[in-house]
Amino acid sequence: EAEVAQSPRYKITEKSQAVAFWCDPISGHATLYWYRQILGQGPELLVQFQDESVVDDSQLPKDRFSAERLKGVDSTLKIQPAELGDSAMYLCASSLGRQSHSYEQYFGPGTRLTVT
Amino acid sequence: GNSVTQMEGPVTLSEEAFLTINCTYTATGYPSLFWYVQYPGEGLQLLLKATKADDKGSNKGFEATYRKETTSFHLEKGSVQVSDSAVYFCALFLLSGGYNKLIFGAGTRLAVHP
Repeated sequence: EAEVAQSPRYKITEKSQAVAFWCDPISGHATLYWYRQILGQGPELLVQFQDESVVDDSQLPKDRFSAERLKGVDSTLKIQPAELGDSAMYLCASSLGRQSHSYEQYFGPGTRLTVT
Repeated sequence: GNSVTQMEGPVTLSEEAFLTINCTYTATGYPSLFWYVQYPGEGLQLLLKATKADDKGSNKGFEATYRKETTSFHLEKGSVQVSDSAVYFCALFLLSGGYNKLIFGAGTRLAVHP
């Protein structure tokens, strides 16, 4: 069964350092999502891509976070510089998307970030 | 605004007990409603869904009915197992102009003991 892949699974970094997470969606899925899940809370959408285009980044802290999906396939989320409050689980999800009228989101295992 | 409120956990039950996890929502428009489950160390998995009022979603013995009059989507299971121990998230799904958004509740941790 196809799955969303994420790496690394765990990352420890010092504050003010740069950190990057990678996501490979299910093959053929046009829509890709990055969520942040703070401990004890539900996931919150950071950014949504349709193919290579950003369609929603209203909750992305753009002063330090950036996301790209250059070829419309895999995606990278970057934080620079990291702050203590960025410690969280970062989840990637994908769905077939608008062309297929199928919006069920499939989630990867997540990257747990700890900022010290 | 759009939001989801879940009962706080943890919920601790003995095996074969009846489970209810409450979920209420506030939404503009006509959302679909979902329950996701997150097992330790894993990502979220869709457990069940309902797309319109009075629909009942069901999967793996879990059920939830979309109640528009009470804006609720409570999760139930008649007899829980130890393997059901996980965090359960209620979510509402909004579709507008071909783009979509999932809004999650805070999650409810379930612990089932033998």
